[in-house]
Amino acid sequence: QSDLTQPASVSGSPGQSITISCTGLRSDSIGYNFVSWYQHHPGKAPKVIISDVSNRPSGVSNRFSGSKSGNTASLTISGLQADDEADYYCSSYAGTSIFVLFGGGTKVTVL
Amino acid sequence: QVQLQESGPGLVKASQTLSLTCSVSGGSVASATDHWSWIRQPAGKGLEWVGRIHASGSTYYNPSLKSRVTISVDTSRNQFSLRLTSVTATDTAVYYCARGRVVFDPWGQGTLVTVSS
Repeated sequence: QSDLTQPASVSGSPGQSITISCTGLRSDSIGYNFVSWYQHHPGKAPKVIISDVSNRPSGVSNRFSGSKSGNTASLTISGLQADDEADYYCSSYAGTSIFVLFGGGTKVTVL
Repeated sequence: QVQLQESGPGLVKASQTLSLTCSVSGGSVASATDHWSWIRQPAGKGLEWVGRIHASGSTYYNPSLKSRVTISVDTSRNQFSLRLTSVTATDTAVYYCARGRVVFDPWGQGTLVTVSS
């Protein structure tokens, strides 16, 4: 069990929007504004798509957006495309005792 | 752009030491502004941060692994390395190296390490 909880799977049709949640189980696990999201196509290197809760690195599609409310962060993918089919992981800085936590990952399926 | 590549044995016997190296190109492990991390993923499970190092030699480890982990840096070879002692089957995972302290970018492709009995 991860300290950050994500749904195991989310699916949607092309063109639709989906949202993946990332909930901290501990009060300190997602309290900082250092939440990142990673896209991972199996066999390839994971890629950061959101940093610092809602910042989109250069080159990342604006179809990806991030937000946070309380102890839950969210990743929204709009205009779902076939290439978005991948595993998505959230991570968060969790203080100087724990450092970095990752979620268990969410498999996104494009129907 | 910066690229990372993991290397090392794919098979390690239980109770022995796992050793991996990450070679960095397009960037320098001696950079004062960068940290270099190891992250692993057991089969069918999520990612787990292992630890990180800065060129100054400062290291930070996952508390759950701290007693068994050592991360070091070799600026002359532009590499950083991971040593994990007393491995068990639960250490079987894909091991990734990445640049970063809190945000990891980029990552290596990963290397599978299997612990055999």
